Amino acid sequence: NAGVTQTPKFQVLKTGQSMTLQCAQDMNHNSMYWYRQDPGMGLRLIYYSASEGTTDKGEVPNGYNVSRLNKREFSLRLESAAPSQTSVYFCASSDWNRGPKNIQYFGAGTRLSVL
Amino acid sequence: SQQGEEDPQALSIQEGENATMNCSYKTSINNLQWYRQNSGRGLVHLILIRSNEREKHSGRLRVTLDTSKKSSSLLITASRAADTASYFCATDKYGNKLVFGAGTILRVKS
Repeated sequence: NAGVTQTPKFQVLKTGQSMTLQCAQDMNHNSMYWYRQDPGMGLRLIYYSASEGTTDKGEVPNGYNVSRLNKREFSLRLESAAPSQTSVYFCASSDWNRGPKNIQYFGAGTRLSVL
Repeated sequence: SQQGEEDPQALSIQEGENATMNCSYKTSINNLQWYRQNSGRGLVHLILIRSNEREKHSGRLRVTLDTSKKSSSLLITASRAADTASYFCATDKYGNKLVFGAGTILRVKS
């Protein structure tokens, strides 16, 4: 039982390049999330998917797109990377719609540098 | 904008001492959670307290919630070097979305 798996762990891009961050969970959770973490700012929500087939913008969606490929997988795409997107990206999942709790389980993160 | 703000930003204590971190938030909430993040790792859920609860315990953790002051505190008793990490509060206002604070960096010296 791996929980939430993110790939790659590290990535360096040049400005303007594109890439997709992959996330998969094996806990049969309905909801999945993408966050970015910058020094001193905690986690900010980029996009989330409440259930398979739905996606919604979070606090900082500009410059990103997402795909909920199936119940297990939720990918984050940077179409044209910018230095401002240098950050640590975390994927998380939860089963919030089975009750009032929204306990999220996190992957280990992807450290992205855009030069 | 962030819902929760932790205080202090950083805390350094000796092993065996207690550590207290505070979180303030701006709007009404359903639940408040605390997470821990070890260096270079993802966040791990520690404890959840509902808006109708005032105090909750889990092992060496004690969480209080004061909805009138829109604040919460996390107390770690008898701290250990392994407790060295960043601690984040997260509020659940919008149902399936959490809003995280900027975190408190705790260093426990052995």
